[in-house]
Amino acid sequence: DSGVTQTPKHLITATGQRVTLRCSPRSGDLSVYWYQQSLDQGLQFLIQYYNGEERAKGNILERFSAQQFPDLHSELNLSSLELGDSALYFCASSTPTEWRGRAAGELFFGEGSRLTVL
Amino acid sequence: AQSVTQLGSHVSVSEGALVLLRCNYSSSVPPYLFWYVQYPNQGLQLLLKYTTGATLVKGINGFEAEFKKSETSFHLTKPSAHMSDAAEYFCAVSATTSYDKVIFGPGTSLSVIP
Repeated sequence: DSGVTQTPKHLITATGQRVTLRCSPRSGDLSVYWYQQSLDQGLQFLIQYYNGEERAKGNILERFSAQQFPDLHSELNLSSLELGDSALYFCASSTPTEWRGRAAGELFFGEGSRLTVL
Repeated sequence: AQSVTQLGSHVSVSEGALVLLRCNYSSSVPPYLFWYVQYPNQGLQLLLKYTTGATLVKGINGFEAEFKKSETSFHLTKPSAHMSDAAEYFCAVSATTSYDKVIFGPGTSLSVIP
């Protein structure tokens, strides 16, 4: 158990719809990352938040948005869904650089939310 | 900027044989390097990491990796493959001066043949 919680685990929806994926990071972790994993694209970095602020942006579509709340949980919103958005969406969290002896970049992943768009 | 390449999207080895998964990186600053493993239907978990100091690092399940700065490589090895090692392996790099930015390689799928 990584300590990162993602809900829902599975989600089936139709094209054009909107869904929200939720992530609770490990206790004490300030950074949250979102990744998309699909068969043809591999593991793609979407976006990172640190203590409520957007820190880095990757290959995130304009139809997608995210935020991190004061309690540090994060939500990834996917709208106007297309068939190609079907994928496994991972959330990961990390500790600050060298905090408690852990290196920057040591990520703790949730089990993912599997999105199927029909 | 950092980047990671993994040679071979799929590697097959016989049970008991040596496992070698290749990773090369590019980084403009001293990197932190990681190997993550993803078992079927699970999230990624850290296998091992290199930060500073000893260039040969040992991880879980008998895996180890060696940081070779001159070759910009961080190859993952295990002397004897086990059936339970079948999984997807990702190499990742993080710049020590960049706050928490992690770049993953495309992954290598390891199959172990009985």
